[in-house]
Amino acid sequence: EPEVTQTPSHQVTQMGQEVILRCVPISNHLYFYWYRQILGQKVEFLVSFYNNEISEKSEIFDDQFSVERPDGSNFTLKIRSTKLEDSAMYFCASSEGRPWGTDTQYFGPGTRLTVL
Amino acid sequence: DAKTTQPPSMDCAEGRAANLPCNHSTISGNEYVYWYRQIHSQGPQYIIHGLKNNETNEMASLIITEDRKSSTLILPHATLRDTAVYYCIVRPLNLIYNQGGKLIFGQGTELSVKP
Repeated sequence: EPEVTQTPSHQVTQMGQEVILRCVPISNHLYFYWYRQILGQKVEFLVSFYNNEISEKSEIFDDQFSVERPDGSNFTLKIRSTKLEDSAMYFCASSEGRPWGTDTQYFGPGTRLTVL
Repeated sequence: DAKTTQPPSMDCAEGRAANLPCNHSTISGNEYVYWYRQIHSQGPQYIIHGLKNNETNEMASLIITEDRKSSTLILPHATLRDTAVYYCIVRPLNLIYNQGGKLIFGQGTELSVKP
């Protein structure tokens, strides 16, 4: 069964450093998403991406964040200058692009980002 | 965005049916109800979704009331591996793209399946 994969599984970085989190969505999917979950808190939506542009983003997704689909398979989340509060699990998800509310999102296993 | 209300925790005996309720009284006519679960800190796992009819798949059944203001997820024979946090989500539409939009997770119900 096709799966969303994410690398690395755990990333440790120093405050102020740039990090890139990588995701390989399911191959025939057209919509891509990033969510995050701070330890002990809810899963929060960050951004959705379709047709090489952001289709929706949350207030969390400020200028420090960017997303890119650099080739036909990868989808990346970049944090330009990490802060302590960016420490969280980051989940990538993808969906086929079915119409209306029938489009199911499938999640990857996550990348744990620790900012020191 | 329609809000959902779920009990914070529930217990279920192994082998018995687990019935997880969800209230979504402000749901709009074109919004789907989705259920996901999260085991430890793993990625959320899709379970089932529905609009107004009851739905069943290999994992679970979804019962939606006629007025669509509440629903129940049923795991027919719970096992220890079903211990997880279960999220009921009313999914808003992204009207620009005519497509299901973001998922808004609440706190969910922590289901403990006990031997």
